[in-house]
Amino acid sequence: AQKITQTQPGMFVQEKEAVTLDCTYDTSDPSYGLFWYKQPSSGEMIFLIYQGSYDQQNATEGRYSLNFQKARKSANLVISASQLGDSAMYFCAMSPHSGGSYIPTFGRGTSLIVHP
Amino acid sequence: DGGITQSPKYLFRKEGQNVTLSCEQNLNHDAMYWYRQDPGQGLRLIYYSQIVNDFQKGDIAEGYSVSREKKESFPLTVTSAQKNPTAFYLCASSTGGGVRYEQYFGPGTRLTVT
Repeated sequence: AQKITQTQPGMFVQEKEAVTLDCTYDTSDPSYGLFWYKQPSSGEMIFLIYQGSYDQQNATEGRYSLNFQKARKSANLVISASQLGDSAMYFCAMSPHSGGSYIPTFGRGTSLIVHP
Repeated sequence: DGGITQSPKYLFRKEGQNVTLSCEQNLNHDAMYWYRQDPGQGLRLIYYSQIVNDFQKGDIAEGYSVSREKKESFPLTVTSAQKNPTAFYLCASSTGGGVRYEQYFGPGTRLTVT
């Protein structure tokens, strides 16, 4: 069974600063995908970034990057140059590549507040 | 524009009534999912469907039912057997396979049962 742990219930960051949101995972599958989603107060989940377990390089998407440390089973999200619009809940998720179902497991989320 | 629609955004029902939440997608995705989100919790999977006319129970399927008669539609019925139905419900879809298969979510339906 997969497990995702997000240990930071809430994080605060000053506008224009960088922030790291932690995510650790546990799986016995040799191949898997890691995802980060953003959930603003409106409720809709927005896909941010993806990292495959066999990808050699850390994923980047604009101001988002994923600090993937496979041996430590961590997939931390780094948001650079924070903006007020980044204030939201952030969820880490993992999907196994084996078995054909690709059903993701989500963490409990981290609330990020960006201060002006 | 392609996307997922859920209606209504807010739904109020009396205890003991069944209620159906709508989910429609025009992304041509094979897989669709229903999640429940409670305050301070992550997303918990209720049901998922990988192809038309087939669906599987998720982690918390008791008290819920679904159908997948069309590729575009995956309605969720919250039955009176669901003991604590008040929650935020999210529908999602994905390509259903391949190396990268992020999910696309609808805006959600907030259900309140009194």
